[in-house]
Amino acid sequence: GAVVSQHPSRVICKSGTSVKIECRSLDFQATTMFWYRQFPKQSLMLMATSNEGSKATYEQGVEKDKFLINHASLTLSTLTVTSAHPEDSSFYICSARDSSGTGGPDTQYFGPGTRLTVL
Amino acid sequence: GENVEQHPSTLSVQEGDSAVIKCTYSDSASNYFPWYKQELGKGPQLIIDIRSNVGEKKDQRIAVTLNKTAKHFSLHITETQPEDSAVYFCAASKGTGNQFYFGTGTSLTVIP
Repeated sequence: GAVVSQHPSRVICKSGTSVKIECRSLDFQATTMFWYRQFPKQSLMLMATSNEGSKATYEQGVEKDKFLINHASLTLSTLTVTSAHPEDSSFYICSARDSSGTGGPDTQYFGPGTRLTVL
Repeated sequence: GENVEQHPSTLSVQEGDSAVIKCTYSDSASNYFPWYKQELGKGPQLIIDIRSNVGEKKDQRIAVTLNKTAKHFSLHITETQPEDSAVYFCAASKGTGNQFYFGTGTSLTVIP
């Protein structure tokens, strides 16, 4: 149980294009999902908290117009990197909180990540 | 805000030996402490967690201890195996709905 999927796993795009990354909770409903960014050999940096049916809350320094987050259902959140540039290349990881699971309301389950490369 | 420090950054052990990774946190309001294992190119996987009302939790070869007074918690892996090689992250949270603050990670290598 408590499986989170991400799609795509890898994406390569040209500078200036937009890329959408999907995060799905497969066997539970997630009222809250989180989006992280991870640079090589570094820790996870929280970008935003996504609540179903409401606007995402962005961390300081994260451009909300560049990283569009939509959480339209209890099992799906999307991150769209708009007008991507090489500096946006990174590993993007989502997580979902299973508030009704046996792990308790605090537990977050992570997706496998999406490797974005902007040329 | 919360500050989580993690040590060591790298750790090499012989197969069969034990490995210990330590984390400290700064905010006494934190009450949930998960540990994640991340293999190369993959997302973090929850391996064990502990809440502030418990001092120790064990799951087969993995155990976590928490000292609320000293504000530190540790991951213990016994009888290590090569497949335990990965990066391990600790985290602290104030509980439901609150964000996780992650440590900087420990790269564990188990030498066969």
